[in-house]
Amino acid sequence: DSGVTQTPKHLITATGQRVTLRCSPRSGDLSVYWYQQSLDQGLQFLIQYYNGEERAKGNILERFSAQQFPDLHSELNLSSLELGDSALYFCASSTGVSTEAFFGQGTRLTVV
Amino acid sequence: AQSVTQLDSHVSVSEGTPVLLRCNYSSSYSPSLFWYVQHPNKGLQLLLKYTSAATLVKGINGFEAEFKKSETSFHLTKPSAHMSDAAEYFCVVMGTGGGNKLTFGTGTQLKVEL
Repeated sequence: DSGVTQTPKHLITATGQRVTLRCSPRSGDLSVYWYQQSLDQGLQFLIQYYNGEERAKGNILERFSAQQFPDLHSELNLSSLELGDSALYFCASSTGVSTEAFFGQGTRLTVV
Repeated sequence: AQSVTQLDSHVSVSEGTPVLLRCNYSSSYSPSLFWYVQHPNKGLQLLLKYTSAATLVKGINGFEAEFKKSETSFHLTKPSAHMSDAAEYFCVVMGTGGGNKLTFGTGTQLKVEL
């Protein structure tokens, strides 16, 4: 158990809908990262937050947004969902900005 | 920009024989490198990390990796494979400057046969 908690574990939703994925980092970790894993794209970095502020941005679509709250948990919001958004979404956390990251179990999103 | 290339998408070994998973990196500076493992329907687990200290890095479950700057390689090895080692392995490089996003290789699927 990495100490990173993601909810829900599975999510099935229809095209056009909006969902929110939640991540609780390890106790004491200030950085949170979001990654998307799909069969055709592999593991892609989406976005990183450090202590509530956006730190780095990757290949995140405009339909997607994220935030990190004062209690350091983070949410990834996915809107106007398309079939191609079906993937495993991972959250990871680390103590700082240059330390190893620990990953949650992921949320498997299926868009039908 | 930094990147990693995993040279084999699939590796198959017999139980009890050595494991070698190959990774080459590209970076304009001394990189931080990692190996992660993903078992079926599980999250990613950190196996080991290299952060410019010793070039031979020991990780969990008997795995180790050697950083070779002259070859720009960071291959993962284990002397004796176990059935429980069957999983997907990712070589990862950490970026710098404005964040430390991890750039993943495409993964190597390790199969362990009896």
